[in-house]
Amino acid sequence: KAGVTQTPRYLIKTRGQQVTLSCSPISGHRSVSWYQQTPGQGLQFLFEYFSETQRNKGNFPGRFSGRQFSNSRSEMNVSTLELGDSALYLCASSLTRTGHYGYTFGSGTRLTVV
Amino acid sequence: AQTVTQSQPEMSVQEAETVTLSCTYDTSESDYYLFWYKQPPSRQMILVIRQEAYKQQNATENRFSVNFQKAAKSFSLKISDSQLGDAAMYFCAYWDSNYQLIWGAGTKLIIKP
Repeated sequence: KAGVTQTPRYLIKTRGQQVTLSCSPISGHRSVSWYQQTPGQGLQFLFEYFSETQRNKGNFPGRFSGRQFSNSRSEMNVSTLELGDSALYLCASSLTRTGHYGYTFGSGTRLTVV
Repeated sequence: AQTVTQSQPEMSVQEAETVTLSCTYDTSESDYYLFWYKQPPSRQMILVIRQEAYKQQNATENRFSVNFQKAAKSFSLKISDSQLGDAAMYFCAYWDSNYQLIWGAGTKLIIKP
């Protein structure tokens, strides 16, 4: 069974631009969460989607947004990129919203802002 | 707010030996989940083991086991018969009632051949 697929793997953008990252969860998984990983801040929760609705959001500015489609695929968007947005963005999917089954992660998108 | 602390930035172990990675957490909740994830250089976060807080029995997955001390809020990971493929960053994570994972800073595990 296919795992969580994140595209693209690598991305280089210029300050001020916007970017869209994509995540396809495991088939049947309805919960999709996004995390940002940086050397300085570690892993931080961005947001969680379930049944096409954002259920929870972390402490990030409004430049960070996302959505989930009816097939559970999710996208996250970052507008007006800043140098500090350079990070590994990880997507995770789960069968349910609870932690009971754990989360399956993709390999991430490495975003570099120059 | 919940916090997760991994006090060992780096650990090294001889191949075939046993190593224990430490994790403590702070919470006022009584029901929660705890996880250990492994992140090799490939970047993908891989679930190693999961513990449900209401279960007293420590979780075990092949060579990986945990020592879950709920009262002490401690959740250590023991890796037996360490293999070269175990080399990675290991993260302890707490799942909270806001449906998110709270992560520790990670421990880099080095396996010496």
